[in-house]
Amino acid sequence: DAEITQSPRHKITETGRQVTLACHQTWNHNNMFWYRQDLGHGLRLIHYSYGVQDTNKGEVSDGYSVSRSNTEDLPLTLESAASSQTSVYFCASRAGSTDTQYFGPGTRLTVL
Amino acid sequence: DQQVKQNSPSLSVQEGRISILNCDYTNSMFDYFLWYKKYPAEGPTFLISISSIKDKNEDGRFTVFLNKSAKHLSLHIVPSQPGDSAVYFCAADGSARQLTFGSGTQLTVLP
Repeated sequence: DAEITQSPRHKITETGRQVTLACHQTWNHNNMFWYRQDLGHGLRLIHYSYGVQDTNKGEVSDGYSVSRSNTEDLPLTLESAASSQTSVYFCASRAGSTDTQYFGPGTRLTVL
Repeated sequence: DQQVKQNSPSLSVQEGRISILNCDYTNSMFDYFLWYKKYPAEGPTFLISISSIKDKNEDGRFTVFLNKSAKHLSLHIVPSQPGDSAVYFCAADGSARQLTFGSGTQLTVLP
């Protein structure tokens, strides 16, 4: 079955370290998204991509970057992790702009 | 300023009764609305949606109502079951084709 996976599921890192969270989908979806979930804020959009080599900033993009070298993957990089980036991160994908978004299982990141 | 608001962080309902979850939005450009359900340690899963050209959409025990003039939508679950206990997120979509989420409501269905 086609799916969307995230790795790692849990990560503890130190302030200032570079961290990369992986997102892989096997649906061949063009659109991919990264969100963070924090209490009281719901899910907020970090970055998104509408296809290979396309990346765009979302609502809370500062301190994060993404790259899209193929259809299946959209890794999220924290260049220099900060305690404020402690959160649960969700990746999502959809086929086209009018289609439903499907979410991965999430990565819980703790920055000490 | 939150464009999509879920003002009730939590809701408890007896099994078999109706659960009503509410959501308000401020951006009149939103034209498509969705509800997602989330269990602990899992990603959100799509539940039901409604286009702004409709005022009601039904799928089994779940019905979403949209009141465009009040910029308000609600999700009704009838009858509520213990397995419905989860966090419910309201989301809105507009011309940008990106979802804006509310902060979520934790529904607890008591047996």
